[in-house]
Amino acid sequence: AQSVSQHNHHVILSEAASLELGCNYSYGGTVNLFWYVQYPGQHLQLLLKYFSGDPLVKGIKGFEAEFIKSKFSFNLRKPSVQWSDTAEYFCAVNEANTGNQFYFGTGTSLTVIP
Amino acid sequence: NAGVTQTPKFRILKIGQSMTLQCAQDMNHNYMYWYRQDPGMGLKLIYYSVGAGITDKGEVPNGYNVSRSTTEDFPLRLELAAPSQTSVYFCASSQDPKGYNEQFFGPGTRLTVL
Repeated sequence: AQSVSQHNHHVILSEAASLELGCNYSYGGTVNLFWYVQYPGQHLQLLLKYFSGDPLVKGIKGFEAEFIKSKFSFNLRKPSVQWSDTAEYFCAVNEANTGNQFYFGTGTSLTVIP
Repeated sequence: NAGVTQTPKFRILKIGQSMTLQCAQDMNHNYMYWYRQDPGMGLKLIYYSVGAGITDKGEVPNGYNVSRSTTEDFPLRLELAAPSQTSVYFCASSQDPKGYNEQFFGPGTRLTVL
């Protein structure tokens, strides 16, 4: 089975600070990569996804992520966070072309202080 | 489209009781999934289905059962509720994870077993 690691369990930032959340996966083959966000009391929503092509992917609300194949990483970034970005962020991986399942990291809780 | 819907939103069960968590999607997706989310643990896959009549176990299937008689519905059954099943349960669907498709999540069911 795949494993997905999110090393930052809880991050606290002030508004306007820059954000980078780490995500590493274990599968050596071709992967599809996702970042989901879960606002307090809500369900998971897709922030962005990578399937192929440009390794720098832009998503909603100013988020972006960079796929670095050699490092098995898909880190999420935002240049300037807002209070409304307070949420839990999950990285997920799917084995491209073969996988029926999605594998999730344990999540990173982000708190943005106004 | 309603997307993925789940009922009930909340439920309290006594130990040993049984219940069915309902999940339905109106996007004609072939793949459906049940996850449980526990604090700090991310999402754990309970069961999934690749189409009507086909189901398979995920990472944590013990104590649960599923069926998939139609494309739209994927109910999750708890036969003998235990305190360890206290969790938030999310249903998700996907058109085809082997292709370029993400998962869509329902709003969740918060279950407490006392």
